[in-house]
Amino acid sequence: DAKTTQPNSMESNEEEPVHLPCNHSTISGTDYIHWYRQLPSQGPEYVIHGLTSNVNNRMASLAIAEDRKSSTLILHRATLRDAAVYYCILRDVLYNNNDMRFGAGTRLTVKP
Amino acid sequence: KAGVTQTPRYLIKTRGQQVTLSCSPISGHRSVSWYQQTPGQGLQFLFEYFSETQRNKGNFPGRFSGRQFSNSRSEMNVSTLELGDSALYLCASSLGWASSYEQYFGPGTRLTVT
Repeated sequence: DAKTTQPNSMESNEEEPVHLPCNHSTISGTDYIHWYRQLPSQGPEYVIHGLTSNVNNRMASLAIAEDRKSSTLILHRATLRDAAVYYCILRDVLYNNNDMRFGAGTRLTVKP
Repeated sequence: KAGVTQTPRYLIKTRGQQVTLSCSPISGHRSVSWYQQTPGQGLQFLFEYFSETQRNKGNFPGRFSGRQFSNSRSEMNVSTLELGDSALYLCASSLGWASSYEQYFGPGTRLTVT
């Protein structure tokens, strides 16, 4: 399975943009890049996913490198509610299943 | 639309007992997956059900089992509980089993084994 590497922790100030990096140098052409986050005392929450092109939704933006070996989750204006553990996960479309392999993720701290 | 619900939210059991956890997926979702979350091992996949059939299973002993009903509701069972089974058990549902579908997680059941 292609693996992902994320920093253990990051800090941000409230109302500033946050760029959360993810390295996936062994990504295959059929791997989707998914991001989930887990707020304290809650189950994980879907954030965004993409394959090749950059993606935007109401929660965040996903910037995917041209060679797809890395990606960045962008929170445009961090709020205190965005403090969570963020997981970058690769899901191969050839192996259609819901077996998601979570790593340790990045713990984001947002300072007021 | 109501989210994924899990019952009970908290449970305390004794070693050697068995436990059954329940998950109701989002209406219309036919795939249900189960995960175990512990501080040491993080989130680990247990199994996945689609249309009442187990499609995928993680690396857990046979004491962990599950099933899915015709209305897509799912249960997981752990027999002969061990102290190491203390964890947050999370259920997730999705429209289908394609890897492009997002999963929606419930709040989890916190199981404590004493």
